[in-house]
Amino acid sequence: LAKTTQPISMDSYEGQEVNITCSHNNIATNDYITWYQQFPSQGPRFIIQGYKTKVTNEVASLFIPADRKSSTLSLPRVSLSDTAVYYCLVGDNYGQNFVFGPGTRLSVLP
Amino acid sequence: NAGVTQTPKFQVLKTGQSMTLQCAQDMNHNSMYWYRQDPGMGLRLIYYSASEGTTDKGEVPNGYNVSRLNKREFSLRLESAAPSQTSVYFCASSEVQGVTNYGYTFGSGTRLTVV
Repeated sequence: LAKTTQPISMDSYEGQEVNITCSHNNIATNDYITWYQQFPSQGPRFIIQGYKTKVTNEVASLFIPADRKSSTLSLPRVSLSDTAVYYCLVGDNYGQNFVFGPGTRLSVLP
Repeated sequence: NAGVTQTPKFQVLKTGQSMTLQCAQDMNHNSMYWYRQDPGMGLRLIYYSASEGTTDKGEVPNGYNVSRLNKREFSLRLESAAPSQTSVYFCASSEVQGVTNYGYTFGSGTRLTVV
């Protein structure tokens, strides 16, 4: 299983762009990179998924360099409601081996 | 709303008691999962079911059993609860087509306390 490493916590201010980087040095050829967001007392929520280069949706962007050994989740103009734990997952395409690490606890300050 | 429904939301058990956590999804997903999350920790996979009729162990299966009753329902059973099983349990489902997993949809969780 590809192991991931993320910062344990980050602080930001409202309106700023936040970038959370995840390292996954032993990512396999068939692995996808997926990010989830979790609020207290709720289950994680899918944010974005990618395989290479850049993926963008209405919530975030995901940047993946050519070697795929890392990825960066970018949240544009965060608000207080973006305060949550963010998980980076790397797993094979069949999705049976996704491993959740401790995640990154993002605190958005006013 | 479409999604993953878990019951009950809260449960307190005495050591040695048994119980079944229920999970149902209405998105016609083929894969379903049970995770546990301990305070301040990430989620750990207990069991998963890649498709109806199949189940496999995850990272922490000891003390649990599962049943994939049909495509919609995936239950988790604790035969003899122990304090170490105090946790929040999340059920999830996902659509896997070919070589692409389209991401998990999680339920709201069951908070279980074993005393």
